[in-house]
Amino acid sequence: NAGVTQTPKFQVLKTGQSMTLQCAQDMNHEYMSWYRQDPGMGLRLIHYSVGAGITDQGEVPNGYNVSRSTTEDFPLRLLSAAPSQTSVYFCASSREGNQPQHFGDGTRLSIL
Amino acid sequence: AQSVTQPDIHITVSEGASLELRCNYSYGATPYLFWYVQSPGQGLQLLLKYFSGDTLVQGIKGFEAEFKRSQSSFNLRKPSVHWSDAAEYFCGFTTDSWGKLQFGAGTQVVVTP
Repeated sequence: NAGVTQTPKFQVLKTGQSMTLQCAQDMNHEYMSWYRQDPGMGLRLIHYSVGAGITDQGEVPNGYNVSRSTTEDFPLRLLSAAPSQTSVYFCASSREGNQPQHFGDGTRLSIL
Repeated sequence: AQSVTQPDIHITVSEGASLELRCNYSYGATPYLFWYVQSPGQGLQLLLKYFSGDTLVQGIKGFEAEFKRSQSSFNLRKPSVHWSDAAEYFCGFTTDSWGKLQFGAGTQVVVTP
């Protein structure tokens, strides 16, 4: 049982490069979210989705784009990477919006 | 504004001793409350949740939490910690059905022999 799968696990980018962080879940969950984790700040919500075709911004959306074309996948795009986006990124999913979320193992992203 | 606070950034506890982690929230009604644990290099694992009903909630790994409406708190406890409990613990809450989870800054727990 895979749960929530994030790829890649590690990535180093140069400032200005673009990339997509992948997230897939096999639990048929409607709700999916992206968080970033920074020391001393806990996890902060970047974007979330309540179903295929429906996304919305969270607390820290600037510099990130998302789309949700299928129930299973919820990729996060960095259009022009900045050093301030160096962080650990977590994807999560849940069956309902107020139910516990299942987390992936994270992507550690460094931007030079 | 809605918020959740974990007052203790770092706690050191001896193996076998009891542990209590504090969590306070700011919201006008009762939110949906969660405690998660994160081991190094891993994602977050749910320990327990509170939605309504009995204010003492039992979770996995021997943890429990008590919801106190009068204090806007949801503190996590374990009677006797094991070395494997060394990790970072996050309190989280949501106030709606849209999946917008808000986290505290986390409490790092160190277990000494």
